[in-house]
Amino acid sequence: SAVISQKPSRDICQRGTSLTIQCQVDSQVTMMFWYRQQPGQSLTLIATANQGSEATYESGFVIDKFPISRPNLTFSTLTVSNMSPEDSSIYLCSASWGAKETQYFGPGTRLLVL
Amino acid sequence: AQSVTQLGSHVSVSEGALVLLRCNYSSSVPPYLFWYVQYPNQGLQLLLKYTTGATLVKGINGFEAEFKKSETSFHLTKPSAHMSDAAEYFCAVSDSGAGSYQLTFGKGTKLSVIP
Repeated sequence: SAVISQKPSRDICQRGTSLTIQCQVDSQVTMMFWYRQQPGQSLTLIATANQGSEATYESGFVIDKFPISRPNLTFSTLTVSNMSPEDSSIYLCSASWGAKETQYFGPGTRLLVL
Repeated sequence: AQSVTQLGSHVSVSEGALVLLRCNYSSSVPPYLFWYVQYPNQGLQLLLKYTTGATLVKGINGFEAEFKKSETSFHLTKPSAHMSDAAEYFCAVSDSGAGSYQLTFGKGTKLSVIP
């Protein structure tokens, strides 16, 4: 399977600031997704990153708070805007290709907001 | 709408003992089912999946799972636990008919292996 990398791996941020997380895949993928994993919790889908068009957000997540870009078939970014301590989570990107139903995950970005 | 229930947020087994992690799902159409493992401070790694065909699927690290439609279950097993199996395990389902391929995760089961 392809390699999925994320930058940064972790960060500590001040409330009110924004952080952009990058997800890079080493081969072209069909679909890319962004998930949030709050402390001690399971994964929740934030949005599907669509190549060349606006992301598709899940209920409870909005573009103003979590703008997403996907300029090509191997790269996507997630921005966490105007952060508060409640945004402290692990953010994971995932990708699928070929067999679209199977998602592979990046290592995650561990975010702490003070 | 789909949902996943993992029975037991924390399971402890002795090294060499059978590992059984339970997963039940609900789905209005034939599901795709997955087990992922998350080691401390790492992302998720795919253990195994069921899409179609044989209901007993084998994965990495000696794990296997059986899709039982009548019981809406997809329990994960390993005959003999190893210390390196200590991790958190997530069961997930996606809807084969929706075309969106979104995953719905269970809450996870943390596996501890006692030497």
